[in-house]
Amino acid sequence: KAGVTQTPRYLIKTRGQQVTLSCSPISGHRSVSWYQQTPGQGLQFLFEYFSETQRNKGNFPGRFSGRQFSNSRSEMNVSTLELGDSALYLCASRGTGESPLHFGNGTRLTVT
Amino acid sequence: QQQVKQSPQSLIVQKGGISIINCAYENTAFDYFPWYQQFPGKGPALLIAIRPDVSEKKEGRFTISFNKSAKQFSLHIMDSQPGDSATYFCAAPDTGRRALTFGSGTRLQVQP
Repeated sequence: KAGVTQTPRYLIKTRGQQVTLSCSPISGHRSVSWYQQTPGQGLQFLFEYFSETQRNKGNFPGRFSGRQFSNSRSEMNVSTLELGDSALYLCASRGTGESPLHFGNGTRLTVT
Repeated sequence: QQQVKQSPQSLIVQKGGISIINCAYENTAFDYFPWYQQFPGKGPALLIAIRPDVSEKKEGRFTISFNKSAKQFSLHIMDSQPGDSATYFCAAPDTGRRALTFGSGTRLQVQP
């Protein structure tokens, strides 16, 4: 089974721009979550989607948004980028019921 | 929603030795408690996960010990190898939302 796939692997953006990151979950997984990883704050939960609906949300500003499509693929958008948004953005998926999260290799976003 | 404390921050072990990483959580939860292994430039890879109604789980050289009453769990790596050198994260399920709260990570170095 293919793992969680994230594109692109690397992105460089300028402050004030917006960015869209893409994630394809493991086949059959309908729950997709997004996390931000930084050296200072560690791994922090952004949001979780299930069946195209946002079920849970972390403590991030409204500039961070996401969506999920009918094929369970997900996108995350960050608008009005700030220098502090530079991070590794990780997508994770899980199967139905109680099951562990499986992460992709992330998108490294650098904001200059 | 959840607090997780992980120790030690870094660990140096000789090849063939036992590596032990500890985590403590604050709030009772009923979903999986996972451990992740992360190499530079990669996303966290699920190593092993345990349900809170189980006291121990072993997979190859990796064992999770879970103490529900003390709200603590630990990862033991037996016969540690240089290839195990990585950063390890524990995580605990949040209460009230379907997300994980991560520990701050342990950088393990296994010396040949």
